[in-house]
Amino acid sequence: GAGVSQSPRYKVTKRGQDVALRCDPISGHVSLYWYRQALGQGPEFLTYFNYEAQQDKSGLPNDRFSAERPEGSISTLTIQRTEQRDSAMYRCASSWGSRAGNEKLFFGSGTQLSVL
Amino acid sequence: AQTVTQSQPEMSVQEAETVTLSCTYDTSESDYYLFWYKQPPSRQMILVIRQEAYKQQNATENRFSVNFQKAAKSFSLKISDSQLGDAAMYFCAYLGSNYQLIWGAGTKLIIKP
Repeated sequence: GAGVSQSPRYKVTKRGQDVALRCDPISGHVSLYWYRQALGQGPEFLTYFNYEAQQDKSGLPNDRFSAERPEGSISTLTIQRTEQRDSAMYRCASSWGSRAGNEKLFFGSGTQLSVL
Repeated sequence: AQTVTQSQPEMSVQEAETVTLSCTYDTSESDYYLFWYKQPPSRQMILVIRQEAYKQQNATENRFSVNFQKAAKSFSLKISDSQLGDAAMYFCAYLGSNYQLIWGAGTKLIIKP
């Protein structure tokens, strides 16, 4: 596609439900990142994939959060047993190479998650 | 651990004037990248400018330029000839040896017509 695509754009769910957020990066991009941004704050790193390998998941807040990228393309971020504090914008980004500083990072429009 | 600080929650400037947004960071690394991103009300994340730490020359992109002071760990963004379309949240970000972008809390820029 022309850009990084995320779906759904908005997700409202009840506390305790599981949610799956999808990211479709630009075709051919090696690196894929997930970030979370609470309202009024800067984004915070969640996890990083190089092809299908999850190379860094140090930013995932707890074991309710998981992510996968099984074929090195589309990625899914799953939050189990959602809590109100999980409410935020979840943003995906991708880049051609393995070192984001060397080339441009492309961001998706994000999924706004609201947990009631 | 690296940190990025933006001490100005909000700034305002008259259209066509110049404004400078401040950013300081803390790191023990010598090789890193610094970025300024713009987030308009649409909540897209748009790269404004990038600076490699090993380059002494300040990066410029049209009306946008930075003042990179490596020793002082300061990375300010100057916007010249401010336009209404520049109104947005501006985030300063740091990328070091790992893959994690470290972000500041952001500065809301208001352009007065």
